[in-house]
Parts: sequence; C-alpha cells; structure tokens
Amino acid sequence: KQEVTQIPAALSVPEGENLVLNCSFTDSAIYNLQWFRQDPGKGLTSLLLIQSSQREQTSGRLNASLDKSSGRSTLYIAASQPGDSATYLCAGLLNAGNMLTFGGGTRLMVKP
Amino acid sequence: DTGVSQDPRHKITKRGQNVTFRCDPISEHNRLYWYRQTLGQGPEFLTYFQNEAQLEKSRLLSDRFSAERPKGSFSTLEIQRTEQGDSAMYLCASSLSRREQYFGPGTRLTVT
Repeated sequence: KQEVTQIPAALSVPEGENLVLNCSFTDSAIYNLQWFRQDPGKGLTSLLLIQSSQREQTSGRLNASLDKSSGRSTLYIAASQPGDSATYLCAGLLNAGNMLTFGGGTRLMVKP
Repeated sequence: DTGVSQDPRHKITKRGQNVTFRCDPISEHNRLYWYRQTLGQGPEFLTYFQNEAQLEKSRLLSDRFSAERPKGSFSTLEIQRTEQGDSAMYLCASSLSRREQYFGPGTRLTVT
C-alpha cells in the first residue's frame, strides 16, 4: 500500500524567502505525482504534474522535482509572497492504481 | 472554460437523514473520482468512474454510500442514514484517462 508523507506539517517563513517542501512515498512504482494548493475551506488547485519519466517541472516561481529511486519529491517556491500562504499537498498515482494517494499536507504561512 | 463544479457547497443535516451531492466534471473528461477529506488530513479516495462504469470502490465506502454516473457525465454521491463521523469535505475530481486530476470546490457536510 502506498504511503505518502509530507514534512514539515507546518512552516512559517518571512516574505521573500526561498523554501522547499518535501514529499516522500513508499512505493516507487509511480505513474505520476501532482502537487496541489488548498486554501482554507476550499477545493484543491493543481500546481504541477510530474510524469514518472520526468525529473522536474516548472511553473513560474514553482519548481517540482521527482526522484523515484529515493521515493522523494520536492516543491521549491522562489521569492515567497504572503499570497502563497496555503496548505500544499502532494499526491502520487501508482502504475497499477487509479486513485491519488495524498500526503497530509504542509501548511505554509508567509509573513509580510 | 468551466472546471469541475459541485453542488451544494455546504450541507448541514441531522443524524439519520439522507443526503445527496452532485458533481459536474470537465466535459471531455472520461474519469470521475470522489474523495473525502477530514480536517487537517489529506483527501482519501472513495470511488471512481470511467464513463458510466464504477470501476473501483474504497473500503471507506460503506453500504450507506452509493455513487452513480448515469450517462457518463455528472455524478451523484448519496449517503443514507448519516452519522456524525460522515462530517467531512467531499471532493470530486475528473481527468482524461490517467492524466492530471482536476478538483472541484468540494461539498462540506456537517452532521449534527
């Protein structure tokens, strides 16, 4: 059974700082991995999708990497802004599965 | 461009009542998923459809839960004889085959 862990559970940084969010998974037979953003009481917004054949994806100030051999993915946020404050979730889709398995999320607060 | 929509956004019901939620996926997407999220946790998979066929159900989906996607378009999730433990955010997502999943805003259920 795939298990996904996100560390830290919460993070507070000053505005402008670069930061890295971590995601680890137990089953390396990943088909793809998605990073999501969730604002309080809202649904999930897809940020980046990395296919198993890819090592990283970039969108604006966000860069996500995937290392299947070590069972890790990271989300790098450059020049953080208060508007980046939200919960960030990673989720993996296994080769043999059809549903996303989510981590518990990292709650990010960027202080002005 | 219309994303995934869900109705209602909020539902308060008394224990023992039945509730039904609706999800309208992105129109060209053939797959539709239901997830449940409790406070402070990542979403957990409930069930998914490919076109009108329900292909997989989680063990979380007790006999009180039923889902349909009658014409391969919108889907409904019904909970019979609600219990306080059913209180959660119910999230719907859709995708084109095993590609990126897009989530709706969710339906927050409170059982009193």
